[in-house]
Amino acid sequence: GAGVSQSPSNKVTEKGKDVELRCDPISGHTALYWYRQSLGQGLEFLIYFQGNSAPDKSGLPSDRFSAERTGGSVSTLTIQRTQQEDSAVYLCASSSQSGRSTDTQYFGPGTRLTVL
Amino acid sequence: SQQGEEDPQALSIQEGENATMNCSYKTSINNLQWYRQNSGRGLVHLILIRSNEREKHSGRLRVTLDTSKKSSSLLITASRAADTASYFCATDARGYQKVTFGTGTKLQVIP
Repeated sequence: GAGVSQSPSNKVTEKGKDVELRCDPISGHTALYWYRQSLGQGLEFLIYFQGNSAPDKSGLPSDRFSAERTGGSVSTLTIQRTQQEDSAVYLCASSSQSGRSTDTQYFGPGTRLTVL
Repeated sequence: SQQGEEDPQALSIQEGENATMNCSYKTSINNLQWYRQNSGRGLVHLILIRSNEREKHSGRLRVTLDTSKKSSSLLITASRAADTASYFCATDARGYQKVTFGTGTKLQVIP
């Protein structure tokens, strides 16, 4: 595709439910990142994929959060038993190189998650 | 913890004025990037400066880097209303691939 896409754009869920957020990176991009941004805050790193493997999961806030990437393309971020503090915008980014810090990251529009 | 922190947190200027934002970081870096975010959604890459560079220009943007002070500044000259956005610096930590984003400066340019 022309850019990084994320779905859904908005998700409202009840506390305790599971949610799945999807990211479609730019075709051919090997590196994929998930971030979380709470209202008015900076970006909080969650996880980084290189191909299908995740060399850095250090940012996942709890074991309720998991992510996978299949076929070196689409990634899914799953939040189990959602809590109100999970409410945030979840941003996905991809880059074309091997996850070097010099790579430009191309961001999707984000998924705004609201947990009631 | 945040590697980079921007200053000021918010900035309001008149169209045509220059806007300066600063970023301070804690550990040695390989490079520093500036990104822009409109309306709380996706970020757009603006410019990258490497640790061995001191200044870089791109259009109306000028970025400086002072590794001795662990700080960078982003200058937007002749600002326009369309420059209204949040601006983030992003740094790596030497030896690590992960890029860490700062807390951002919210810029408002008043027409």
